[in-house]
Amino acid sequence: AQSVTQLDSQVPVFEEAPVELRCNYSSSVSVYLFWYVQYPNQGLQLLLKYLSGSTLVKGINGFEAEFNKSQTSFHLRKPSVHISDTAEYFCAVSDSGLSGRRALTFGSGTRLQVQP
Amino acid sequence: NAGVMQNPRHLVRRRGQEARLRCSPMKGHSHVYWYRQLPEEGLKFMVYLQKENIIDESGMPKERFSAEFPKEGPSILRIQQVVRGDSAAYFCASSPGPQTVNEQFFGPGTRLTVL
Repeated sequence: AQSVTQLDSQVPVFEEAPVELRCNYSSSVSVYLFWYVQYPNQGLQLLLKYLSGSTLVKGINGFEAEFNKSQTSFHLRKPSVHISDTAEYFCAVSDSGLSGRRALTFGSGTRLQVQP
Repeated sequence: NAGVMQNPRHLVRRRGQEARLRCSPMKGHSHVYWYRQLPEEGLKFMVYLQKENIIDESGMPKERFSAEFPKEGPSILRIQQVVRGDSAAYFCASSPGPQTVNEQFFGPGTRLTVL
């Protein structure tokens, strides 16, 4: 079984400030890791993903995340946020093995509120 | 290059009625996933289908819910005898196939309200 914990339900931040959204996971098998963004009344858009290789992953819109296997974390960061980054952010994992199970397990989400 | 399409976008049903949610995957995609998002929660996996086959339905409620993905046409998520607790956003995602690396592309969702 897998689980994903997003420790912060809401993160308020001022425009142009840096931000970190935290994500921890637990799994008995090796995983792929994802961050998705959801704007109001829309579907999810993939920001970035970790599959293998370099633990620092760069995504769209200036976001990046770092995979830390020992801490089972995959925190999302952006050095300078914009008003347009205001949205809900979801961390997710899926099996990377041969189980055939491709379903994503999501965290409960973090609402990023960028203030002017 | 159309993305994943879902209809209707909003659906209102009274308790006891049936709800049918449709999902058309991206062109060239043969695998579909359904997820449910309850208010203030993350998405929860329901079912994974390929054309004419259910691959994984471990997240589907045992009663009243069913899903199909026929050879022709969209995938359908069907909820019989809806109850207020079924009110949620239902998202469909599609992927090209059973590759090990599997990015899922999400549709805009159907928001079901049960009165």
